[in-house]
Amino acid sequence: AQTVTQSQPEMSVQEAETVTLSCTYDTSENNYYLFWYKQPPSRQMILVIRQEAYKQQNATENRFSVNFQKAAKSFSLKISDSQLGDTAMYFCAFMRGETSGSRLTFGEGTQLTVNP
Amino acid sequence: SQTIHQWPATLVQPVGSPLSLECTVEGTSNPNLYWYRQAAGRGLQLLFYSVGIGQISSEVPQNLSASRPQDRQFILSSKKLLLSDSGFYLCAWKPLPVLNTEAFFGQGTRLTVV
Repeated sequence: AQTVTQSQPEMSVQEAETVTLSCTYDTSENNYYLFWYKQPPSRQMILVIRQEAYKQQNATENRFSVNFQKAAKSFSLKISDSQLGDTAMYFCAFMRGETSGSRLTFGEGTQLTVNP
Repeated sequence: SQTIHQWPATLVQPVGSPLSLECTVEGTSNPNLYWYRQAAGRGLQLLFYSVGIGQISSEVPQNLSASRPQDRQFILSSKKLLLSDSGFYLCAWKPLPVLNTEAFFGQGTRLTVV
């Protein structure tokens, strides 16, 4: 079974600063996908960024980027130029690839607060 | 475009009462469907998933059940609610068998069992 670990229950950052959220996972699979979801106070789950395990290049979406270290099974999220609207719970998630019924396994989340 | 609808948004039910939460997806066919539960300030726990009509897989033993009577309809039920069933329930869908895609979530149902 796959497990996802987020070791930082809470983090804070000043507006315009950069912050990195950590995530490690455990799997014996070789084909999988990793995701970061954001859950603001509305509790709507919003995809932030995704990474395919077979791609060596780290994914980037505007101010959000990941550091994917496959051998170390590490998948951290870097938020640059933090904005007040980035305040949310952030979840790291794992999904096996190419199988019917693939489902997301989530970490426990990191509550990020961006301070003005 | 695809959309997911989940209702009701909030629900307060007495212990021992039945439960029915409904989720429907529009704009796609034969999706994977999921029910997750989220305790306060915690991660998401997968309860059930379905790859087709009438096909339900349960991830954890519990007081709840799920059904998929139609291709794009997923229902979470209970015959008798327990206090421990309180939580935030999220329905999600994923295209099948498209690769390289995330799951899309509904807006959730906040259930309080009193």
